[in-house]
Amino acid sequence: EADIYQTPRYLVIGTGKKITLECSQTMGHDKMYWYQQDPGMELHLIHYSYGVNSTEKGDLSSESTVSRIRTEHFPLTLESARPSHTSQYLCASTLASYNEQFFGPGTRLTVL
Amino acid sequence: AQSVAQPEDQVNVAEGNPLTVKCTYSVSGNPYLFWYVQYPNRGLQFLLKYITGDNLVKGSYGFEAEFNKSQTSFHLKKPSALVSDSALYFCALLSWGGGADGLTFGKGTHLIIQP
Repeated sequence: EADIYQTPRYLVIGTGKKITLECSQTMGHDKMYWYQQDPGMELHLIHYSYGVNSTEKGDLSSESTVSRIRTEHFPLTLESARPSHTSQYLCASTLASYNEQFFGPGTRLTVL
Repeated sequence: AQSVAQPEDQVNVAEGNPLTVKCTYSVSGNPYLFWYVQYPNRGLQFLLKYITGDNLVKGSYGFEAEFNKSQTSFHLKKPSALVSDSALYFCALLSWGGGADGLTFGKGTHLIIQP
């Protein structure tokens, strides 16, 4: 099992709420990623980070934001959740781009 | 723009038979290719990768993949399927050098191994 953790695993909230999805890794990896997995199971990169104070947007436009204040921590925030944000969110990290990425177990978000 | 295609939504194989899960890609430049597996309510697990070198790559759980540059393919194979191989399989292409630094995934293929 990879040393990358996501909390909560499941979250059901109402429209308009602010939420933060947590992701932490203990492997000392500089590169971290957030992927969104839609109900059809497709995966899309929404955010990535090269290291502390580095954040970039991915291929899929997302209303979420991320921060990277510590190497091990890469939280994702939705300021005002909407039903269209219902999805599974997967966090990953790697030592270098051409190495395999280690994935967390995911957070399944449902916005009512 | 680069892309990954997995032409089969689902592959059904009898236990003990060989299996193949297909993947083709499109990229300018050298491809860095990966296979991941996802079990229900779990994250993705790495199976194998092709960066350079031998076209036949061996990975975890007895899986292997063959890189074919002329056909732009990277099919996943296993000589003898197990019921426990039933899962969702993703082919992925690393994107870097000017674009977003992350993986571009195929749509995934459900592999069902029948006892």
